[in-house]
This record gives sequence, structure tokens and C-alpha cells, in this order.
Amino acid sequence: ILNVEQSPQSLHVQEGDSTNFTCSFPSSNFYALHWYRWETAKSPEALFVMTLNGDEKKKGRISATLNTKEGYSYLYIKGSQPEDSATYLCALLRSNSGYALNFGKGTSLLVTP
Amino acid sequence: EAQVTQNPRYLITVTGKKLTVTCSQNMNHEYMSWYRQDPGLGLRQIYYSMNVEVTDKGDVPEGYKVSRKEKRNFPLILESPSPNQTSLYFCASSPTTVDLFFGPGTRLTVL
Repeated sequence: ILNVEQSPQSLHVQEGDSTNFTCSFPSSNFYALHWYRWETAKSPEALFVMTLNGDEKKKGRISATLNTKEGYSYLYIKGSQPEDSATYLCALLRSNSGYALNFGKGTSLLVTP
Repeated sequence: EAQVTQNPRYLITVTGKKLTVTCSQNMNHEYMSWYRQDPGLGLRQIYYSMNVEVTDKGDVPEGYKVSRKEKRNFPLILESPSPNQTSLYFCASSPTTVDLFFGPGTRLTVL
């Protein structure tokens, strides 16, 4: 089992604050890094899939960067809104893992008005 | 509507009583996978399948079986459930291994 680490474990911000969290992973045999958003009582939903070192992806106020050489990815949320409250998961796919996707434990974000 | 469905959504059963959780997708996806979610442990992969008749173990396959006889279905079988299999289970599918589409989840309690 791989060590996909996410930090912080939880985060509480005020509406309008910008925030970011980290996903760290072993850099060897990297294939792809996924980000998912998981709201309470719902199913995880895909945000980004990143494959190339230096990749940057953006969807509205949410963006992500990837550094495969040092083994980390950042997720940024600009101007957080209460509806951004969710758990954000990252997951690693390695080229030698037979397509076994390994998830981190997630960062739980709470945005209060 | 493109979706992944799971049944049942909730199940309470007793130790040793065989059960099957069904998973079906209508998107013609090749890849399907099962995960369990436990507090403090994150999503852990149980089994996955790259295509019909092709299945492989994930991180926590013990106590589970799967089959992939048709592209759209990927049932999870617990031959002899035990209390440590009490969990929230998710099925997911994908056209390759990008953008997983998750089902609604099945909450299983084994007494």
C-alpha cells in the first residue's frame, strides 16, 4: 500500500478566504494524480486528473498544480464559499500498480459565512 | 442519464450470511472498481476490473470476491461476512482510468 499523504487533515476558513492543501506521494513510477471533491452524504466527484510534471488545471475558483519529481500536488481554492465545504481527496495511480488507485485520507474543509 | 447504480443502499445482516452488492453502469466503461470507506482510513480499493473477465486485487481484497461477466455489471460478493466488513462501500467506473464516476454508496452493517 502506498503512502499518499494529505495535509492538513482539516481546515476551517471564513467565506472569502483563499486556501490551499497538499497531497504528497512517492515520485517513483508515477502515472497520474487525481483530485476528488466529496460532499457529506454524496459520492466523490472528479475535479482533476493530472499526468505531466508542471501540470496546472483550473475549474472555476479551484486550481491544482503537480510536481512529479518531488512528489506533491497542491489544490487551491480562491475566495472560498460555504458551498466549497467538503472533503478533498487525492489519489495516485502508478505505472507499475496494475491500475490500482490509492487514495489519501482527505482534507476536510469547512467554510463559514 | 449516465450513472453508476448500487443495490442495496443500506443493508444490515448477520455474520456468515452470504450477500451480494450489485453495481451497474450505463456508460460502457471498461474500468470498474470497488472501494470501502472507514473512519480515519480513507478510501481503500478492494478489487478492480479492466474489462470483461479481467479482475485484479486492490489493497484489501480479503473476504471479498468479484466477477465481471458483462461490461456493465461488477458485483461484490461477501461469502461469509464478518463484523470487520461493516463499512461504506463505493463502486466506481471509468472509460480508462481517468475521472472515476462513483456510485451512491452502500452502507453495510454486519452484526
